Amino acid sequence: EVQLVESGGGLAQPGGSLRLSCAASGFTFSDYWMSWVRQAPGKGLEWVANIKPDGSEKYYADSVKGRFTISRDNAKNSLYLDMKYLGADDTAVYSCARAKLGDFDYWGQGNLVTVSS
Amino acid sequence: DIQMTQSPSTLSASVGDRVTITCRASQSINNWLAWYQQKPGKAPNLLIYKTSTLESGVPSRFSGSGSGTEFTLTINCLQPDDFATYYCQQYNSYSLFTFGPGTKVDIK
Repeated sequence: EVQLVESGGGLAQPGGSLRLSCAASGFTFSDYWMSWVRQAPGKGLEWVANIKPDGSEKYYADSVKGRFTISRDNAKNSLYLDMKYLGADDTAVYSCARAKLGDFDYWGQGNLVTVSS
Repeated sequence: DIQMTQSPSTLSASVGDRVTITCRASQSINNWLAWYQQKPGKAPNLLIYKTSTLESGVPSRFSGSGSGTEFTLTINCLQPDDFATYYCQQYNSYSLFTFGPGTKVDIK
């Protein structure tokens, strides 16, 4: 059974940093592009970042470019999102997702990040 | 950047109705379009990918069509479990994915 389990969310100060993790199981993690998607409270879905199976290519939404870094450790079946210079607009539920052909066939349960003083 | 729009933003319907949601892309996406259903507090659920391919386990009352820049999701014979928010997503290139703003289907 495919499972994606996020951790690391919580409260962050404006201008602060946070690292999200996503533990994958039930599939060959190193075969798939992986992504982060976020959803602000009461709002729609926003794609955040993609990473190639071998980690050699990474892409970001303009809203997070230069502040967020996606990475992966295929030996640990884990995906990460390092977030810096957080602002109120970054408050959202962050989910990791498996990209099948670019469509997301499996999602984590989501992890709330709240940016507030 | 590729922008996605959806219409309507809200749709009121009754059980048994046929419902159609439209998604438009600002440029050609080569049919790399997916549809998701999301219920409150839950992760999105993939319904359709590559414009018209039904994801495994998704009821056949859901169907997708379209080409170029205009796409539709149709739900035939709406069921109580179908009241939710629906999103389209383009994935023409791994360098940029975009979701539509969503369409909420609620009970008339």
